[in-house]
Amino acid sequence: SAVISQKPSRDICQRGTSLTIQCQVDSQVTMMFWYRQQPGQSLTLIATANQGSEATYESGFVIDKFPISRPNLTFSTLTVSNMSPEDSSIYLCSVFGGDNQETQYFGPGTRLLVL
Amino acid sequence: DAKTTQPNSMESNEEEPVHLPCNHSTISGTDYIHWYRQLPSQGPEYVIHGLTSNVNNRMASLAIAEDRKSSTLILHRATLRDAAVYYCILRPINYGQNFVFGPGTRLSVLP
Repeated sequence: SAVISQKPSRDICQRGTSLTIQCQVDSQVTMMFWYRQQPGQSLTLIATANQGSEATYESGFVIDKFPISRPNLTFSTLTVSNMSPEDSSIYLCSVFGGDNQETQYFGPGTRLLVL
Repeated sequence: DAKTTQPNSMESNEEEPVHLPCNHSTISGTDYIHWYRQLPSQGPEYVIHGLTSNVNNRMASLAIAEDRKSSTLILHRATLRDAAVYYCILRPINYGQNFVFGPGTRLSVLP
């Protein structure tokens, strides 16, 4: 299994500011995934972060708004830039683990409220 | 990606079995059927997965139809802690592809 921690667990931010979310995994992993879960909705993938290369963004998400860093095999950050109330969501970090890398593990999430 | 269809919500009484259905009529031969659940204020967690045969683990059982076009997650004795959103997800055998989450089924457990 993989144990994932995220910081901060929650935050309240003013519009126009930026917040950086940290994700730490207890084992080395090739890929890390960042998801967004808007209130009452399911999870939507933002981007996939590979160590040593640029993150790959899903349709509707851009690097200028959600820059990602992946400095090593156990850590990643997601920044939510120039925030607006529409960015109020839970942001989750995820990795694969298990015997055949077939199980996806998720962090506890970062609850963001933008005023 | 092959699509799954689940009821929006279900209710169960505590200590009774719960059968959560999932339809996946466009499933391909290499798609595994995965179930995850998301407890309140937590990230999703793995429940069970299978390919063709029924599967059992300490959390639940997975019953897969012979034609694989549907499956059922079975919680043998629901507890209040099982109240969560349950996601049925198809994922191809080529590992590394992330899971695509649908809306899931919100399970309420009544005391």
